Amino acid sequence: GENVEQHPSTLSVQEGDSAVIKCTYSDSASNYFPWYKQELGKRPQLIIDIRSNVGEKKDQRIAVTLNKTAKHFSLHITETQPEDSAVYFCAASNYGQNFVFGPGTRLSVLP
Amino acid sequence: SAVISQKPSRDICQRGTSLTIQCQVDSQVTMMFWYRQQPGQSLTLIATANQGSEATYESGFVIDKFPISRPNLTFSTLTVSNMSPEDSSIYLCSVEDSGLLYNEQFFGPGTRLTVL
Repeated sequence: GENVEQHPSTLSVQEGDSAVIKCTYSDSASNYFPWYKQELGKRPQLIIDIRSNVGEKKDQRIAVTLNKTAKHFSLHITETQPEDSAVYFCAASNYGQNFVFGPGTRLSVLP
Repeated sequence: SAVISQKPSRDICQRGTSLTIQCQVDSQVTMMFWYRQQPGQSLTLIATANQGSEATYESGFVIDKFPISRPNLTFSTLTVSNMSPEDSSIYLCSVEDSGLLYNEQFFGPGTRLTVL
């Protein structure tokens, strides 16, 4: 079955700096990779996703990249703000079936 | 995206009792999922609930402990049976919203369960 690893487990950055979170997956059949943000005490929220037919996708300060050959994908947050502080989960699935989540990254943006 | 609600939002229960968690969606969805999230941990899939068929359980989860109902396309329940303190966790339902090719997954607000 699919296995998703995520690094780092914790990440602290200064406000305004960039943050990068990396995930690797094992199943080459996976073709849909969403990222979720979970603030303390709240539900995971889908923030961005990428399909296997593209290598990069950007939405304002957030971007995701995908390397299908190496089976890894990354979340990039630029110009970080305190409200970006949260736990971020990556996931991998096949056409949106059988989601497997990474262990999460706790991001702290320091003022 | 689908709007998902869960009841109760939190509960404190005694060891040996059972709790039923309800999940309501504002639109018809084929697939609903139940996850467990222990403090500081990732999301672990308990089971997939499809309307009109038995739920499919992941390794480590059994129907006797986590019976699930899916009476229609907008509602599901998860029961945590014969609870022990190890069952203390957040339980989340989620649904897949069908996209053109890919299904996106959205989560309910969660039920925080504490077992004494």
